[in-house]
Amino acid sequence: QKEVEQDPGPLSVPEGAIVSLNCTYSNSAFQYFMWYRQYSRKGPELLMYTYSSGNKEDGRFTAQVDKSSKYISLFIRDSQPSDSATYLCAMSGPDSWGKFQFGAGTQVVVTP
Amino acid sequence: EAGVTQSPTHLIKTRGQQATLRCSPISGHTSVYWYQQALGLGLQFLLWYDEGEERNRGNFPPRFSGRQFPNYSSELNVNALELEDSALYLCASSAGGTSGNEPQFFGPGTRLTVL
Repeated sequence: QKEVEQDPGPLSVPEGAIVSLNCTYSNSAFQYFMWYRQYSRKGPELLMYTYSSGNKEDGRFTAQVDKSSKYISLFIRDSQPSDSATYLCAMSGPDSWGKFQFGAGTQVVVTP
Repeated sequence: EAGVTQSPTHLIKTRGQQATLRCSPISGHTSVYWYQQALGLGLQFLLWYDEGEERNRGNFPPRFSGRQFPNYSSELNVNALELEDSALYLCASSAGGTSGNEPQFFGPGTRLTVL
């Protein structure tokens, strides 16, 4: 079993809809949770960085962490065709020593 | 502010050769990380350097090695290339620290193709 599980998709939504992405994990020591966006053949771009449980909002993006369920989510409001990309979750803990554990990524397609 | 830069963009080698990939971190960042992103396998952690020292390495054979220079730039060397080394190699940098949990910012990657 992988430490971080993420549905690969593709997830297709119409423009303007809310995109809902999630990851589950098995290591209860994880405390830092990240979401990255990766366009085809490009490097990942950091979208959200959160510590421990709770919600964080930044513009159209909301990240949620539920450590009791070992479950994290990313919501994208008012989705645009430019949001079409692969979204990667990543996480680490006090004993990770620089080694972020990444999910496999979810491909999102926003159709006009 | 300039982001993480990597060179070359593409690299084509034959099996058994050596490859050298280079990375310049964001100005002010002291930590550099290397990841391999092979098709269908996701990002796999390779190495972490901070202040010129190797802090951690992933589950890769010793033919994957690297170093960090006094200006915090880094290079990744892959010896005795194998076909399965073909992948996108990503470098990331962070502000550094002893835990390695700071946000990591990625470069565009070097696509290595082994023939």
